[in-house]
Amino acid sequence: NAGVTQTPKFQVLKTGQSMTLQCAQDMNHNSMYWYRQDPGMGLRLIYYSASEGTTDKGEVPNGYNVSRLNKREFSLRLESAAPSQTSVYFCASSEALGGQEAFFGQGTRLTVV
Amino acid sequence: GENVEQHPSTLSVQEGDSAVIKCTYSDSASNYFPWYKQELGKGPQLIIDIRSNVGEKKDQRIAVTLNKTAKHFSLHITETQPEDSAVYFCAASMSSGTYKYIFGTGTRLKVLA
Repeated sequence: NAGVTQTPKFQVLKTGQSMTLQCAQDMNHNSMYWYRQDPGMGLRLIYYSASEGTTDKGEVPNGYNVSRLNKREFSLRLESAAPSQTSVYFCASSEALGGQEAFFGQGTRLTVV
Repeated sequence: GENVEQHPSTLSVQEGDSAVIKCTYSDSASNYFPWYKQELGKGPQLIIDIRSNVGEKKDQRIAVTLNKTAKHFSLHITETQPEDSAVYFCAASMSSGTYKYIFGTGTRLKVLA
């Protein structure tokens, strides 16, 4: 049981490049989330998917897009990376939306130069 | 908007002493309060949670207390050990049906041997 798996673990991008962060969970969870973690700011929600086939914006969605490919997979895309998107990105999942434990992946450390 | 304030941002204790981390939330509709531990290079992991219908919950050396009237909750770690050194996050969430899962800014706990 791997839990939540994110790839890649590290990435360096040049300003303006695009990339997709991949996330998969094997717990049959309905809800999935993408967070970014910045020093002194805790975890901020970028996008979430309450269930397969739905996605919605969180607190800080600008500059990102997501795809809920199926129940297991939820990807985050940066279309044109900016230095302000340098951060650690976490994918998480939970059985349903809100009010219960969230399971996190190991994170992706992204640097945009 | 809704927020969760967490204090202190850093905390150093001697091995064997107790550590207390406090959080205050603003949304009175919140009714689920988890605590996550994040070790270096890993994603956050749930260590204890409490729902609004109880005032205190304990799991071995870890306890959480909740004061709904004052809208604050605290994490208590007794007999601290070096492996307790990590970053701890509190969060506040409403029951299922909403994505709102607001995290505090984190407390870096150092247990000195």
